[in-house]
Amino acid sequence: DAKTTQPNSMESNEEEPVHLPCNHSTISGTDYIHWYRQLPSQGPEYVIHGLTSNVNNRMASLAIAEDRKSSTLILHRATLRDAAVYYCILSPLSAGSNYKLTFGKGTLLTVNP
Amino acid sequence: SAVISQKPSRDICQRGTSLTIQCQVDSQVTMMFWYRQQPGQSLTLIATANQGSEATYESGFVIDKFPISRPNLTFSTLTVSNLSPEDSSIYLCSGGGPYNEQFFGPGTRLTVL
Repeated sequence: DAKTTQPNSMESNEEEPVHLPCNHSTISGTDYIHWYRQLPSQGPEYVIHGLTSNVNNRMASLAIAEDRKSSTLILHRATLRDAAVYYCILSPLSAGSNYKLTFGKGTLLTVNP
Repeated sequence: SAVISQKPSRDICQRGTSLTIQCQVDSQVTMMFWYRQQPGQSLTLIATANQGSEATYESGFVIDKFPISRPNLTFSTLTVSNLSPEDSSIYLCSGGGPYNEQFFGPGTRLTVL
């Protein structure tokens, strides 16, 4: 599986935007970029995913570099409830793929009041 | 999005016994997965639960230790057999959504004495 690199931790202030980076220099053409987050004592929660174009949903935005070797998850206004471990994961979508996810260590986001 | 429930939410078991964890999805899903999250660690995929056939196990996980059933498209069980303290972990199931995303249950916290 192609690997991703994320900072171990980041801090943000409440109501400010947060940009969480992810490097994936060995990404293949059929890899989707997924973001999940895990709040304390909960199962992971799907945030967003994309292939080539930038994506927006009610939770966040995903900005994908033109060469697809990096991406950034953007939380537009951080709240205390956004404090979590954020995982950037590559998942191939091809014939026979079972959407397998390989979790790395992720980025621990701390949000200060 | 699919809602995943797991039973039990937590259990304390004696060494040498087994624990069966149930995972219920509120809608039919093609793919279901089982993960383990050891204390302070990220998630590790145990296996893909296949409906009507044997589960597909990841490297390091075997059917004798982690038998899995998937009788239909909304339900799966994971049994952790011959328990040892090293099996103390959180076990999570997930279901695959229509857009390649996964929805996770809240997890089952297992403590082996």
